[in-house]
Formats: sequence, C-alpha cells, structure tokens
Amino acid sequence: QVQLQESGPGLVKPSETLSLTCAVSGDSSTSGSYYWSWIRQPAGKGLEWIGRISPSGSTNYNPSLKSRVTMSVDTSKTHFSLKLSSVTAADTAVYYCAREVVIVIGDAFDIWGQGTMVTVSS
Amino acid sequence: DIQMTQSPPSLSASIGDRVTITCQTSQDIRKYLNWYQHKPGRAPKLLIYDASNLETGVPSRFSGGGSGTDFTFTISSLQPEDLATYYCQQYSNLPYTFGQGTKLEIK
Repeated sequence: QVQLQESGPGLVKPSETLSLTCAVSGDSSTSGSYYWSWIRQPAGKGLEWIGRISPSGSTNYNPSLKSRVTMSVDTSKTHFSLKLSSVTAADTAVYYCAREVVIVIGDAFDIWGQGTMVTVSS
Repeated sequence: DIQMTQSPPSLSASIGDRVTITCQTSQDIRKYLNWYQHKPGRAPKLLIYDASNLETGVPSRFSGGGSGTDFTFTISSLQPEDLATYYCQQYSNLPYTFGQGTKLEIK
C-alpha cells in the first residue's frame, strides 16, 4: 500500500518561496494511471486543488496559482515537490500531497498524506 | 471553474439517524463526483467515487447518488466514528474543485 508524507519548513517569510516535498513509499503500482497532486486547506476554509504532475513530469496547475507554482518529480519516483513563489499570508494553509488514480470507471484522490501546516509570516 | 455548493455546512444528528448531504454543481458534470471524509489531524479518506461507487473497505452504510448537477451523500445509520467533515469533489474539468464541506456532529 502506498503511503505519502509531506515535509518542509513550517514557516515561510512573505515574498519568499514555499518548498514542500512528498515522499512516496510502498508499492505504487495500480491498474490505472495516476498523478501526484498538491491540495491545500486554509484554516476554516475548504480544500483547494493546487495542481498535479504525472510520473513522466507533465503538469497541470490551477489557473489561480499557475504563475507562482512549479511541481517536479524525481527520477526515482520516490519524491515529488511543490514550489510556490512570492507567498503572502493568504498562502497560509495545511498542504496535502495526494495520489490521483485514474481508472476505467473513476478518477479520485485515493491516497493522501497527513498534511503539513505552512504559515507565512515575518 | 466549476462551482460546488454543498449543504448543509454543518449537521448534528443522533446515533442511528439517517444523514443526507447534498452537492450541487454549476454545470453538468455527469457522474464525475467523489465524496471524502476528513477527520481532524488525519488524511482525508475517499469514500465514494464516480458519484455512487463505494471505495474498497468503506462500510456499506455510506452511499452516494445523483448525476448532472445534483448529488447526494447518505449515511444510512450514523455511527460514533462518523464524526468528521465531508467534502464533495468534481473531476469533470480542471481545475478540480471541492465543496465547502459539511461538518457532522453527533448529538
């Protein structure tokens, strides 16, 4: 069973770049294809999809964040990363990494990390 | 973006009650909708995919229905461990979007 674990600084200064990594462990094989996604949740608010990256490195980003987001995946496929530039207090949130599995009859985030809290403050 | 209107925002019910949450989308998404359970401090958990399919290992008291723009999520007999916030999510179009959540409390 695949497990995901986010890591990175819990505090980032305004205007700097937030950098997070998601470690993938376990057997990631699946009968369908999959993507690695980042999703965030500001305190007291709902979930916001940030974007996704395929194991081959192709990306899709939320247009609301596209100009500031960069995702990457390492060649060993054991880690993938998120960089969010020019952060402000509005980027303070719990950040989750998740696997999106695409099968014949569905497409869903079937595995999630525990989440990591990132605060933007000077 | 597809807008998701989930209701109610919060719900208080007793053990054994039948609980229903609704999710309305701003455009037709066929059956491309999932439901998740999120407990504080834990990873969200997929319960229902493609509107009505129960994820492996999820108790059968959870069910989903609907298509087009109107969807429902039901717990047939509420259990203490169902205390959580529940979210709908569409995957018809990028960017994926989520409902605002329904916080379920046990009376």
